[in-house]
Parts: sequence; structure tokens; C-alpha cells
Amino acid sequence: KAGVTQTPRYLIKTRGQQVTLSCSPISGHRSVSWYQQTPGQGLQFLFEYFSETQRNKGNFPGRFSGRQFSNSRSEMNVSTLELGDSALYLCASSLKGASSGANVLTFGAGSRLTVL
Amino acid sequence: GEDVEQSLFLSVREGDSSVINCTYTDSSSTYLYWYKQEPGAGLQLLTYIFSNMDMKQDQRLTVLLNKKDKHLSLRIADTQTGDSAIYFCAESIDNQGGKLIFGQGTELSVKP
Repeated sequence: KAGVTQTPRYLIKTRGQQVTLSCSPISGHRSVSWYQQTPGQGLQFLFEYFSETQRNKGNFPGRFSGRQFSNSRSEMNVSTLELGDSALYLCASSLKGASSGANVLTFGAGSRLTVL
Repeated sequence: GEDVEQSLFLSVREGDSSVINCTYTDSSSTYLYWYKQEPGAGLQLLTYIFSNMDMKQDQRLTVLLNKKDKHLSLRIADTQTGDSAIYFCAESIDNQGGKLIFGQGTELSVKP
């Protein structure tokens, strides 16, 4: 069973550019969440999509956006990149449809973004 | 508010037990989780516990939860060098879907 696949694994951008990251969840998983990991702030929740709808959103500026397709694959986009956006962006998928019960997330290896 | 705290470093000798501690503030936490992250990798779920439980054991791992003090611990028995990694505790809040609140992570170093 394939795990969560994130592409690209590494990328370098310059300030002001935009970037799109992709996440393919485990087959059958309908929920995809995105997290930003930095040395200073740790792991911070960006947003969650379920059945193509954003179900929850973290405290990030509007430059961070995402979407989910009908096959549950998800993309996140960051526009007008800033130096502080350099981070490891982690995607996680889960079966969890209901809002209660344990939320068992399976994480991808991440996309490491460097902004110069 | 939502906050999860962990100590940043722990060093143990191979074969000893490791105990990683975590405190959280949100009393509406429903589940608490332990994840492991090795260099260059994503997070791997180790175990989780429902907030109404006191203890959960899974092979070398024992999770203890003191709900009154909002304190969670992960004990790794017979720690091996392969256990060296960063360990994160996290909480989920009911009706918040895929959102987990993570601690800063505890870097476990196992010396031979």
C-alpha cells in the first residue's frame, strides 16, 4: 500500500515568487491536512480538506491557500513568498470522516522549501 | 487556549528506559498522540490514547495520562540506538477534524 506522496521534495524559490506543493494521500483516505514545520515555530497546522471542502484552517495569512481534487489529491499554494516561509511542509492523510474519534494521520516525507 | 509543551532534549544509555514528558492546556482534548520523526523524514505515529484512559501499553511503549494535571508521558523500555529521533506529543480537540496541536518535540539521544 503506497504511503503519502509529496512532490517536489526540495525546491528553492526567491522572494516574491509563488509555489505550489502537491500531496497524494493514501488510497481511500479522504482527509488531507497540511502542516508547516520550522525550527522556531515547530509544527503548525495550515488547513485540512475533506471531500474537496476546507474543513478547518490554521492561523496563517491569506497568501497560503489550498485545494483538494475529487480523487482526494491536494495542493497547497503560497504566493508572494517571504524569507520566513522557508520550512518543511508536511502533508498528512487520514480516513477520518466523522468529527469524533481518534484522528490517525499518516504523514508524507515533506516538501522542503527554501526562499532566498 | 491550546498549548502543548515538552522538554527539548533527553539523553539516555542504550538498554535504559526513556521517559518523555508532555503537558497540555486544553481540557477539551479528546485524544493525545505520540509521533516520532527521524532525520529527513515525516512523522510516524507511535501510539495514541483516549483522554479518558490512564494508561496504554504497546510492546516497548507505555503511555501514561494524568488528566487532572494535563500531563502525558511516553516510556520506551530497553531503549536502542535506533530509537534516537525527535518525539512529538500532540492533542486533538473534538470537532476540529484533522487539526492536531503539536509540542515542540523532544530530541532523544541514545548513547551506546
